[in-house]
Amino acid sequence: TQLLEQSPQFLSIQEGENLTVYCNSSSVFSSLQWYRQEPGEGPVLLVTVVTGGEVKKLKRLTFQFGDARKDSSLHITAAQPGDTGLYLCAGSNTGNQFYFGTGTSLTVIP
Amino acid sequence: DAGITQSPRYKITETGRQVTLMCHQTWSHSYMFWYRQDLGHGLRLIYYSAAADITDKGEVPDGYVVSRSKTENFPLTLESATRSQTSVYFCASQRTGNQPQHFGDGTRLSIL
Repeated sequence: TQLLEQSPQFLSIQEGENLTVYCNSSSVFSSLQWYRQEPGEGPVLLVTVVTGGEVKKLKRLTFQFGDARKDSSLHITAAQPGDTGLYLCAGSNTGNQFYFGTGTSLTVIP
Repeated sequence: DAGITQSPRYKITETGRQVTLMCHQTWSHSYMFWYRQDLGHGLRLIYYSAAADITDKGEVPDGYVVSRSKTENFPLTLESATRSQTSVYFCASQRTGNQPQHFGDGTRLSIL
């Protein structure tokens, strides 16, 4: 059962462009996390959001948790080649069992 | 700061064989997890453990066995490997609920 759908699945953009990745579900989550994964490595946590409507910023990355806590978005401003990677969202209701989305593979072309 | 390590990094085996993937963490985190990552499916939870001697099934546990006799180790065993179990396997640890999960670098397992 795939509870979290991410879109787009693949994204290739030029350096300096902006982009948004979406994470949608029909289920409500008490918390949602975003991870970035590089080839040959495990995912690394970027942010955790827990409150409906919450917005968190991490340098050029802006994360938003939907008001109903069913969806989330990740916006990257002025993308850099170093942003290239697989972005994964993960939702939880227990705090220790997470359901991961299918992932968005981002390539930023110099 | 060793963190969390998985071994082996790569493994090729044949159908029907038993294979064990190892996971070791140095933080004394309570929770440990095993995921598999497949194209189009993202990461799916196989088993998790809240503490030594406590394990529970995740989303896709069939064909897998885990144990946790010590806090720092959480081995995953495929008792009779099948081709559908070809995947990249990730182990993760978590200090307590709602804390970040820390992932190992994965084991790429191919079953011929």
